[in-house]
Amino acid sequence: QQKVQQSPESLIVPEGAMTSLNCTFSDSASQYFAWYRQHSGKAPKALMSIFSNGEKEEGRFTIHLNKASLHFSLHIRDSQPSDSALYLCAAANSGTYQRFGTGTKLQVVP
Amino acid sequence: GGIITQTPKFLIGQEGQKLTLKCQQNFNHDTMYWYRQDSGKGLRLIYYSITENDLQKGDLSEGYDASREKKSSFSLTVTSAQKNEMAVFLCASSPGGAREQYFGPGTRLTVL
Repeated sequence: QQKVQQSPESLIVPEGAMTSLNCTFSDSASQYFAWYRQHSGKAPKALMSIFSNGEKEEGRFTIHLNKASLHFSLHIRDSQPSDSALYLCAAANSGTYQRFGTGTKLQVVP
Repeated sequence: GGIITQTPKFLIGQEGQKLTLKCQQNFNHDTMYWYRQDSGKGLRLIYYSITENDLQKGDLSEGYDASREKKSSFSLTVTSAQKNEMAVFLCASSPGGAREQYFGPGTRLTVL
């Protein structure tokens, strides 16, 4: 059974800093990796996803996947107070459902 | 674009009561999901359905039933509400398992 774990559990960074969030997964056959963001009191919303090893950048956000080490990460450049939220990672095989991590609570302080 | 609607937004019940939560989506997605989110925590899958009349158990199915009456709707029943399952219940849909999921606004359950 796939296990997905996130670190750290919570994080406080100053505005303008680089933020790095981590996710490990246990099923080496996983093919889909995603990050979701959930602002307080709102629904989770997909941020980015990746299928193959390497990096993918969209604006200030970069996702990095290393299947051999069963690890993927999200990096936020020039973090803003509006980035403060709960970040959830998820991993899935092609034919199964996504399994979510327990979340990292990010606070960006001015 | 599409939207996911969950009703009711707030649900208050007595301990031991049977309660039903409803979800509708107009994305025309095949797969729908029910998750439970305890305060500030991650998502735990209760049930999912890959097509009309299909049901698959998730990690947290005990104490819950589900029904996929048609492609656009997915219901969740709490069979006997307990105080320790006060949480936000989120419905989601996607074109498939390894694709982006779209979430509804949630139903907050309170058990008295």
